[in-house]
Amino acid sequence: AQSVTQPDARVTVSEGASLQLRCKYSYSATPYLFWYVQYPRQGLQLLLKYYSGDPVVQGVNSFEAEFSKSNSSFHLQKASVHWSDSAVYFCALSPSGGSNAKLTFGKGTKLSVKS
Amino acid sequence: VTLLEQNPRWRLVPRGQAVNLRCILKNSQYPWMSWYQQDLQKQLQWLFTLRSPGDKEVKSLPGADYLATRVTDTELRLQVANMSQGRTLYCTCSGLGGVTGQLYFGEGSKLTVL
Repeated sequence: AQSVTQPDARVTVSEGASLQLRCKYSYSATPYLFWYVQYPRQGLQLLLKYYSGDPVVQGVNSFEAEFSKSNSSFHLQKASVHWSDSAVYFCALSPSGGSNAKLTFGKGTKLSVKS
Repeated sequence: VTLLEQNPRWRLVPRGQAVNLRCILKNSQYPWMSWYQQDLQKQLQWLFTLRSPGDKEVKSLPGADYLATRVTDTELRLQVANMSQGRTLYCTCSGLGGVTGQLYFGEGSKLTVL
């Protein structure tokens, strides 16, 4: 069975600072990995996804993530955060070769950006 | 562009009463429709994926019982019963591209137990 762990339930950073949100996964092979963002009272929106190839993937709003097979990690990063980035961020995986309709999610990290 | 329309968006549910949720797909290029639940601690959990009209599935989880039905190519329903704790149900859709597709979420139906 697969699992996703986001070790930080809450992260607070100052506007303009850099950001890293951590994600670790457990799966027997290389999974497909995703980061989603949830703004208050909204559904989830895809930030970026990793299927194969270059371990650094670029996403929307200048977010990027780096896949590490040796560390079983897929950390999300941003060089300079804005107050509008305040939201809950979810890391998710699906088994490679499986349906993309069924994702396993981490518990989310709530990001607060101080102005 | 909104791909999914969920209703109701909010509902107060008397304890012991069932509630019916509806999800309408606006673009037939994403025919794989699913339900996810999000509990009060924000944990998301996949419930069902139904592809064809007439498909039905049931599931019992801690805190609620579910019956999902694919009514038509564009409509998915969910009956929630025996709910003991509030939760939000999200409808999703994804494309025929399979693993290279993207999962799209509706805006959710938030249920509160009275």
